[in-house]
Amino acid sequence: EAGVVQSPRYKIIEKKQPVAFWCNPISGHNTLYWYLQNLGQGPELLIRYENEEAVDDSQLPKDRFSAERLKGVDSTLKIQPAELGDSAVYLCASSLDFSTEQYFGPGTRLTVT
Amino acid sequence: AQTVTQSQPEMSVQEAETVTLSCTYDTSESNYYLFWYKQPPSRQMILVIRQEAYKQQNATENRFSVNFQKAAKSFSLKISDSQLGDTAMYFCAFMKRTSYGKLTFGQGTILTVHP
Repeated sequence: EAGVVQSPRYKIIEKKQPVAFWCNPISGHNTLYWYLQNLGQGPELLIRYENEEAVDDSQLPKDRFSAERLKGVDSTLKIQPAELGDSAVYLCASSLDFSTEQYFGPGTRLTVT
Repeated sequence: AQTVTQSQPEMSVQEAETVTLSCTYDTSESNYYLFWYKQPPSRQMILVIRQEAYKQQNATENRFSVNFQKAAKSFSLKISDSQLGDTAMYFCAFMKRTSYGKLTFGQGTILTVHP
């Protein structure tokens, strides 16, 4: 069974540029999560989807961050414009539902210069 | 709000020996789950073990076991017969039963297993 797929694995951009991350969850997983992981720290939840509905986006900085999950499968997380402080690893995870194990992808390491 | 504290930034152990990683948490909830996740240098986070707060019996998974002390709000991970592949960052995490999947992670402990 294929795991959670994320792309790109690495991204370097200049500040004020836009950037997008893509996530393909495990087939059949209804719940999808985006986490932010700063260097040397634990992940922090940004947004959670149940199918195509964002059910918890309270930690998402909505002035520059946006996310979508079309058709309840793949998801895209966008930052526009990026700031130096956005440099971090962005992790995607999925689960059958909110009560079951979350499977994580390898993450996208973003560097903003 | 829930908080999770891992007081050991780094730990090291010799291969084949036993090591214990500490975790404490703060919550007013009575129904919750606790987890230990492993994040190797490749970055893919993997679930090591899960404990449900209403279960008094400590969870075990092969060489991994926990010491869950609910009253003390403590949840330590014991790794027996440490292997080189256990080298990773370990995160303790908490989830309220009613939070619908929202995990709160600790700061992590870097574990190095030496040959």
